[in-house]
Amino acid sequence: NAGVTQTPKFRILKIGQSMTLQCTQDMNHNYMYWYRQDPGMGLKLIYYSVGAGITDKGEVPNGYNVSRSTTEDFPLRLELAAPSQTSVYFCASSPDRGHEQYFGPGTRLTVT
Amino acid sequence: AQKITQTQPGMFVQEKEAVTLDCTYDTSDPSYGLFWYKQPSSGEMIFLIYQGSYDQQNATEGRYSLNFQKARKSANLVISASQLGDSAMYFCAMREGSGAGSYQLTFGKGTKLSVIP
Repeated sequence: NAGVTQTPKFRILKIGQSMTLQCTQDMNHNYMYWYRQDPGMGLKLIYYSVGAGITDKGEVPNGYNVSRSTTEDFPLRLELAAPSQTSVYFCASSPDRGHEQYFGPGTRLTVT
Repeated sequence: AQKITQTQPGMFVQEKEAVTLDCTYDTSDPSYGLFWYKQPSSGEMIFLIYQGSYDQQNATEGRYSLNFQKARKSANLVISASQLGDSAMYFCAMREGSGAGSYQLTFGKGTKLSVIP
């Protein structure tokens, strides 16, 4: 099993550009999450999903959108990138909310 | 108020010694879970150990144990027989509640552990 995979690993965006961060898991987990980690900080939840077609906002959703059309995929869309979105983005999944979350390797995004 | 507090920005430990990383939490929900994750310099987040609020015994996983003191709202991670590969950032996290919205993990700011040969 590959677990949770994320693409790309690194990306530089100009202010105002848009992009989609891809996340795929092969563990058949219903729950998926997107976090961001700013330098010297812990992770903060952006969005989460409890199953295909169901998503909800986390602590810091502004400037992002998500969709969940399949169990496996949970892409994160950045519209009109801003320097404040410079961060490392982690996707995670779990079989249910009581279990530990399994994290992908992260995407390092810089907006200049 | 911060929900998860890790008061030690950095810690040093001699190889083969034990080390305790502190974590205190704040919640009024009787149902919650506490997690520890390791983040090596390569950046990935690795799950180490979990403690549920109703668990009677402290969790253990190999060289990791969780010193859970419910009344003091602390969930310290103990690493026994430290190894050079234990050098990393360590994050304490909490999931509150069991109803709608109890999906989020709230993370502390982390403790950087350095193991000295």
